Amino acid sequence: GAVVSQHPSWVICKSGTSVKIECRSLDFQATTMFWYRQFPKQSLMLMATSNEGSKATYEQGVEKDKFLINHASLTLSTLTVTSAHPEDSSFYICSAVVLDTDTQYFGPGTRLTVL
Amino acid sequence: QKEVEQDPGPLSVPEGAIVSLNCTYSNSAFQYFMWYRQYSRKGPELLMYTYSSGNKEDGRFTAQVDKSSKYISLFIRDSQPSDSATYLCASVTGGGNKLTFGTGTQLKVEL
Repeated sequence: GAVVSQHPSWVICKSGTSVKIECRSLDFQATTMFWYRQFPKQSLMLMATSNEGSKATYEQGVEKDKFLINHASLTLSTLTVTSAHPEDSSFYICSAVVLDTDTQYFGPGTRLTVL
Repeated sequence: QKEVEQDPGPLSVPEGAIVSLNCTYSNSAFQYFMWYRQYSRKGPELLMYTYSSGNKEDGRFTAQVDKSSKYISLFIRDSQPSDSATYLCASVTGGGNKLTFGTGTQLKVEL
């Protein structure tokens, strides 16, 4: 149990386009999901906290208009990278908190390459 | 000072060795402690989850928490090449709050 999926697993896009990444908790409900990005050989950097039915909370330095987060249901959160640029190329990982617990499970990650 | 400090390694051990991975934390409000394993280009995988001082064992893995000294450890017995990965410690204050990660320790188990 406690499986989190992400789609797509990798994506290549042109500079200036938008990319949507989905994060789903497959066998549990999650009121809270987190979005991270990770550069090679570095730890995870929290971008935002996504709560079902409310606006996301962004970490300092993360542009909310560039990284749009929607958490429409207890099993789905989406991250849209708008007007992507090469510096947005990274590994994006989501996690979901099991309802009524503090246990967080991570998705497999999405590798974004912006040309 | 980071809230969770972790030696980044890399740490290289022979197969069958006992591995000790350690973290220290500074935030007294941390209540829950986790260890994640991350293979290259994959998402972190939850290995251990503890919330009280003492030891918790799961197969070859033992997580140890000492809240008095703010020290958390992960021991891996009979290490295998498949254990080669980056190990991340993490702490959380509770209530679905965000995790605070260590930088991760890169482990390599050699044949």
